Amino acid sequence: AQSVTQLGSHVSVSEGALVLLRCNYSSSVPPYLFWYVQYPNQGLQLLLKYTSAATLVKGINGFEAEFKKSETSFHLTKPSAHMSDAAEYFCAVCDTGTYKYIFGTGTRLKVLA
Amino acid sequence: GAVVSQHPSWVICKSGTSVKIECRSLDFQATTMFWYRQFPKQSLMLMATSNEGSKATYEQGVEKDKFLINHASLTLSTLTVTSAHPEDSSFYICSARAFGTTENTEAFFGQGTRLTVV
Repeated sequence: AQSVTQLGSHVSVSEGALVLLRCNYSSSVPPYLFWYVQYPNQGLQLLLKYTSAATLVKGINGFEAEFKKSETSFHLTKPSAHMSDAAEYFCAVCDTGTYKYIFGTGTRLKVLA
Repeated sequence: GAVVSQHPSWVICKSGTSVKIECRSLDFQATTMFWYRQFPKQSLMLMATSNEGSKATYEQGVEKDKFLINHASLTLSTLTVTSAHPEDSSFYICSARAFGTTENTEAFFGQGTRLTVV
């Protein structure tokens, strides 16, 4: 069975500092991996996705993630945090047979002025 | 493209009544739609998978008689919460997978529906 683990339910960074949100996955087959952002009382917005092409994936709003098979990781990074980045971030793995998404528990990012 | 719309965005209903949530794919046909539930400050949990023209498949622990799902067309799926109780209050999100396109590596999510049962 596929699963996703997000380390750190809360992450705080200063404005302008590096953002690093961690995601590890478990999958017996090559996974499709996603990062989503959710603002309060809103749906999910896709930040980026990995679908077995380039291992370094660039997304919207300056975010990127690197797929590392040896580490079963798909960590999300952004060089310089903005106040507007404060939100909940979810890592997800997609079952390529059923297209069901399995979500991590989420990481709430707080950006300090 | 690939827009999924949910209606309503929020709804308040009295305990014991039923409420219907619609999920529409606006610019593509969706063979499969998914319904998720999100409790406050928690992750999304898949409730059920619906395929157009067939019965929904429910995840373990989800009451199918409580959460009725209908996927009557390739662009519309509905979730009806029957005899709602306060514990059904939650954020419900649908997603849809496109049919017949090369962009089949992801599902597209609606904006969610906040249900409050009083």
